[in-house]
Amino acid sequence: GESVGLHLPTLSVQEGDNSIINCAYSNSASDYFIWYKQESGKGPQFIIDIRSNMDKRQGQRVTVLLNKTVKHLSLQIAATQPGDSAVYFCAETHNSGNTPLVFGKGTRLSVIA
Amino acid sequence: SAVISQKPSRDICQRGTSLTIQCQVDSQVTMMFWYRQQPGQSLTLIATANQGSEATYESGFVIDKFPISRPNLTFSTLTVSNMSPEDSSIYLCSAQRDRGYEQYFGPGTRLTVT
Repeated sequence: GESVGLHLPTLSVQEGDNSIINCAYSNSASDYFIWYKQESGKGPQFIIDIRSNMDKRQGQRVTVLLNKTVKHLSLQIAATQPGDSAVYFCAETHNSGNTPLVFGKGTRLSVIA
Repeated sequence: SAVISQKPSRDICQRGTSLTIQCQVDSQVTMMFWYRQQPGQSLTLIATANQGSEATYESGFVIDKFPISRPNLTFSTLTVSNMSPEDSSIYLCSAQRDRGYEQYFGPGTRLTVT
């Protein structure tokens, strides 16, 4: 069946360093991907998305990379700050977003000051 | 983006009772969804709330347990019926302006059933 998972459940990073959060997906038909950030006691916050016709997309301090060959997605956070501490989820869908999102298990990012 | 609010933000309920959670979006949206999130875990889709018709439920979720209303393009409710401690969870409302666009989430409703 469909599944979206993560390689690392926890990640500790020194403040100022770059963070890389990885995500694997199993549905080769997936064509739209979203990264969410969830802080304690809050709902998931949209960070960045990417469609399958791209392999890279950049936002403010964040970059998402998509490797369709190995069905792998990553989120890179530059110059990680204490405010980046949260749980990060990848989510995928197919049919150009006409089917509900499937969420990965989440990675907890802890930033060490 | 869409700003989504939920009421109540949290509640403690007794076994056997029901709770209705409200979700309000600040703009008209095509799609609205309800998710459940157990503490420390990922999100599981309960159903898609369809405006003007019955909700579409995911496997393992049924209308009798989780009735959903969607009377217009900005509002939806989820009822958790005949609650048991296993229903203790965070319930999240989500909205999407249109198919294929970003999906945004409300702050969640933390439910504890005693």
